Amino acid sequence: QPGLTQPRSASGTPGQRVTISCSGSSSNIGSNYVYWYQQLPGTAPKLLIYKNNQRPSGVPDRFSGSKSGTSASLAISGLRSEDEADYYCASWDDIMSGPGMFGGGTKVTVL
Amino acid sequence: EVQLVETGGGLIQPGGSLRLSCAASGFIVNRSYMSWVRQAPGKGLEWVSVIYSGGSTFYADSVMGRFTISRDKSKNTLYLQMNSLRADDTGVYYCTRGSVAGDEGADYWGQGTPVTVSS
Repeated sequence: QPGLTQPRSASGTPGQRVTISCSGSSSNIGSNYVYWYQQLPGTAPKLLIYKNNQRPSGVPDRFSGSKSGTSASLAISGLRSEDEADYYCASWDDIMSGPGMFGGGTKVTVL
Repeated sequence: EVQLVETGGGLIQPGGSLRLSCAASGFIVNRSYMSWVRQAPGKGLEWVSVIYSGGSTFYADSVMGRFTISRDKSKNTLYLQMNSLRADDTGVYYCTRGSVAGDEGADYWGQGTPVTVSS
């Protein structure tokens, strides 16, 4: 059972805004940065958001991250068909796994 | 251009050993944080290990004492020595530049190499 909890699935129609939550605790999200990764079908994961809300070069500004207390969220605005993928949050945990802990992942479906 | 190419995966019997390699280009492995992440068939991502630029290493509890991460400066290559392999070690193994939850994250990933532990 991962220390970071994500909904198994989320969906939306093209153009909609979809939000994915990532719930943790004081030992991970509450005291460390949150990262988000996108994994398109059959491909390696890709970094979407680092340090809670920073986008690497090349990531569209449709993707945004936020954090409050022991929870974080990834928002996808203007949903597109190519956004259909698995999304994972990650954080450092001061007690459990240390340098790396992923959430269980959320499958986003574009209806 | 940054590239990571993993090799060394395959079919191995329980209790056996494998060494994965990750050849890097476009940056210097010894000056970077480098990680291994795995994904069991149909499952989510699991962080395995990280080596920091200073040489410190960390492991997930599930592989502690069985796996060893290392690097070769002359070959600009990252390694993962996997011993006492178990069925639940089966999956695709990715190497990454960066720490998955540190600094600027894991910003480059290899294509992955599959490992199957089965008799």
